[in-house]
Amino acid sequence: DVKVTQSSRYLVKRTGEKVFLECVQDMDHENMFWYRQDPGLGLRLIYFSYDVKMKEKGDIPEGYSVSREKKERFSLILESASTNQTSMYLCATKLGGGDGYTFGSGTRLTVV
Amino acid sequence: DQQVKQNSPSLSVQEGRISILNCDYTNSMFDYFLWYKKYPAEGPTFLISISSIKDKNEDGRFTVFLNKSAKHLSLHIVPSQPGDSAVYFCAAVGTGNQFYFGTGTSLTVIP
Repeated sequence: DVKVTQSSRYLVKRTGEKVFLECVQDMDHENMFWYRQDPGLGLRLIYFSYDVKMKEKGDIPEGYSVSREKKERFSLILESASTNQTSMYLCATKLGGGDGYTFGSGTRLTVV
Repeated sequence: DQQVKQNSPSLSVQEGRISILNCDYTNSMFDYFLWYKKYPAEGPTFLISISSIKDKNEDGRFTVFLNKSAKHLSLHIVPSQPGDSAVYFCAAVGTGNQFYFGTGTSLTVIP
């Protein structure tokens, strides 16, 4: 079974802080994704990556950046956290051409 | 623009009865559909899928129906159990293998 690990389950950060959310997978999946989940809005794609050092913008990339220096690790960066980035953040991986995603357990980020 | 919609944000069902969760989509190019289940403080987990060449797929208590002409799919859970209480997301796969998720339906199964 693929395991997708998100480093923090809960985070509280102050407005203006730089925030790093880490995601690590233990299989050789090419594709990795960052979503945020908000009530009434479902899962919205922030960024994704098809390979090391590759990144593509999703539907809501503003205020975020990503880094993929190694195949197993995909980091989401909030350059200057704002209160509207308070959300549940979900990392997912997918084998290229394969069936569904495997999700991590999520990080509940609160920006105060 | 939301290409996959779940118009019912919540649903309550008595234990033992049928739960029907609905999902509508707008893009006729979607060719694969999935349902995910999410408990609080956990990531979504895959539940069941269906290809556009089929109109029904069954797995135990879970059945997904696809009506391509109506661009509609539904998930039936029979019989519903309290452990089924969760948020359910439908997802559609488009060109380039990109996933589009619905807004989710929170199911509560009442014992």
